[in-house]
Parts: sequence; C-alpha cells; structure tokens
Amino acid sequence: EVQLVESGGGLVQPGGSLRLSCAASGFTFSGYWMSWVRQPPGKGLEWVANIKEDGSEKYHVDSVNGRFTVSRDNAKNSLYLQMNSLRAEDTAVYYCARGAGRDHPDWWGQGTLVTVSS
Amino acid sequence: DVVMTQSPLSLPVTLGQPASISCRSSQSLVHSDGNTHLNWFQQRPGQSPRRLIYKVSNRDSGVPDRFSGSGSGTDFTLKISRVEAEDVGVYYCMQGTHWPFTFGPGTKVDIK
Repeated sequence: EVQLVESGGGLVQPGGSLRLSCAASGFTFSGYWMSWVRQPPGKGLEWVANIKEDGSEKYHVDSVNGRFTVSRDNAKNSLYLQMNSLRAEDTAVYYCARGAGRDHPDWWGQGTLVTVSS
Repeated sequence: DVVMTQSPLSLPVTLGQPASISCRSSQSLVHSDGNTHLNWFQQRPGQSPRRLIYKVSNRDSGVPDRFSGSGSGTDFTLKISRVEAEDVGVYYCMQGTHWPFTFGPGTKVDIK
C-alpha cells in the first residue's frame, strides 16, 4: 500500500527556517514526480512545488520562489521541502503528494502543520 | 495562472437526493497530449484530500459509481446521484494542464 508520511512541521518565528520531510513507501519512489501542496487553516489547497523523478527539474509557485526549495533522495525514498524566510502567510498544513500535474496527485500524505508566528 | 471557479461554494443536500457541483477554468484545459486534465478531489472532515475523478470523467478505484464527472474545454461538473452521509466534506476541482497547477476554492457539501 502507498504510504506518504510527512514530518518536520512546527512553530517557527517569522524569518525563520524549517525543513519538511516525506517518507514514501509502497511504490517505486524513483518512478514518480513528487509534489508539495499546502492548505492554510480553514482554507483551500495551493500547489507549492514539484520535482521530477530524478530531481533534474524542479518547479515552485511564485509565492515561494526563492524562499522554498524542493529536493529528493531516491536512495532514501524521501522528499524534502526546505523553507527559508518564512512568513505568517506560509502557515498551513503541508501535504506530500505523489505525482505532479496531468492526472495527479493520486495519493496524499496526512500532512504536517507549519505555524509561523512570533 | 489558470483560475478555477466552483459553484456553489456551499451545498446542503438531503440524504438520497442528487447533488451537482460546477467547475469552470479561465482557459481551456486541453493539454498538448490531447487529454483534458481536470481532476476532482474529496476532503472529508479532518482528512487529507482523496482523488475521486481524473481526466474529467475517470473514477478512481474504490470510488462509488454514484460519483460521475463530465464536461469539456472550460466547463466541468461533478455529480453525486444519491448523496450518502459519508459524502460530507469539501470537493475541489483541480487543473493539471497548465503550470502552476491550480485548485478551485472548494464546495462544502453537508446534510440538510
């Protein structure tokens, strides 16, 4: 069974940094694009970033471009999101998801909450 | 960016009655691969999103056949033929054709 387990969320001050991780299992991780999607409390879904199967291509939405960086380690079946210069508006549940665009994502993790506040 | 709109944003329904959600995109979702990448997701209270429908009308494995998707170009619809209690939640359409991929604002379905 496909499993995506996020970790690394928590409370951080504005301007701070945080690194999220996603441990994947139950499928061939290196065969899929992977994505991060976020959801502010009580609000809708927003795409954050995605990365190609071999890590050679990465895309970030404008609102996080230059501050967030998606990466992966196929040997560890893991996806990461390095978040720098965090702002209050980055407060959200961050979901790791399998696939990017077209018919995806087709599988989501349970999410990890990031709260940016002083 | 492609803007996705949904209507209604709130949909109270009676158990056993049909429900319909409209989704519109600000530009055509026909991809260069010839497919239309419009997906529907269900998010039950306290849960992660779950994909229900992909490529406009293809139901995911395990999704009851009371859910159906239709549409083309910029206008799409999700229908529930007979609403059950487990269908309560928020439904999102999402376009996977143009980067950045975007979601609709969500339609909250609850029981009258």
